[in-house]
Amino acid sequence: AQSVTQLDSQVPVFEEAPVELRCNYSSSVSVYLFWYVQYPNQGLQLLLKYLSGSTLVKGINGFEAEFNKSQTSFHLRKPSVHISDTAEYFCAVKGNKLVFGAGTILRVKS
Amino acid sequence: ETGVTQTPRHLVMGMTNKKSLKCEQHLGHNAMYWYKQSAKKPLELMFVYNFKEQTENNSVPSRFSPECPNSSHLFLHLHTLQPEDSALYLCASSQDWTEYNEQFFGPGTRLTVL
Repeated sequence: AQSVTQLDSQVPVFEEAPVELRCNYSSSVSVYLFWYVQYPNQGLQLLLKYLSGSTLVKGINGFEAEFNKSQTSFHLRKPSVHISDTAEYFCAVKGNKLVFGAGTILRVKS
Repeated sequence: ETGVTQTPRHLVMGMTNKKSLKCEQHLGHNAMYWYKQSAKKPLELMFVYNFKEQTENNSVPSRFSPECPNSSHLFLHLHTLQPEDSALYLCASSQDWTEYNEQFFGPGTRLTVL
């Protein structure tokens, strides 16, 4: 079985500042890792995914994430955020099943 | 229409009503999913269909009844729901049910049970 913990329910940040959204997971089997974004009144959209290979994964909209196996983490980062990045972000882990975290709301302020 | 569409976008129903949610994907995918998204809770996978066959039912109450007549359409039939069933119901599709295939989501149906 897998579980996903997103450590922050909300992250406020000023425009053009860097941001990190944290995700930790537990699993007894090898996993694939995903980050999804949900804008208001929309479904989820894939930002990036880690399947294998390089532990630093680059996604859409300038986001990237780093897989750290020893710390069982897959934190999402962006060096400079925009107002349009305001949304809810979900970390997901696929081992035997696809499991989502509870989400982190990113609020970008001007 | 492109991607994954869901109708209706909003639905209000009484506990004795029967209604259906519809999902259609225009991506040529073979797997379709129903998820429940409640406030402050992780996304819950309800049902998975792969090539029209149900491959997963995550202990969903029988008042939710899925139907997949073909690989492009997925329905969720609702009857005698409870107020705690109020949530956003998301449909998704992927090429097939393998570990790494990206799931594409529809915009969801916001369901309110009175």
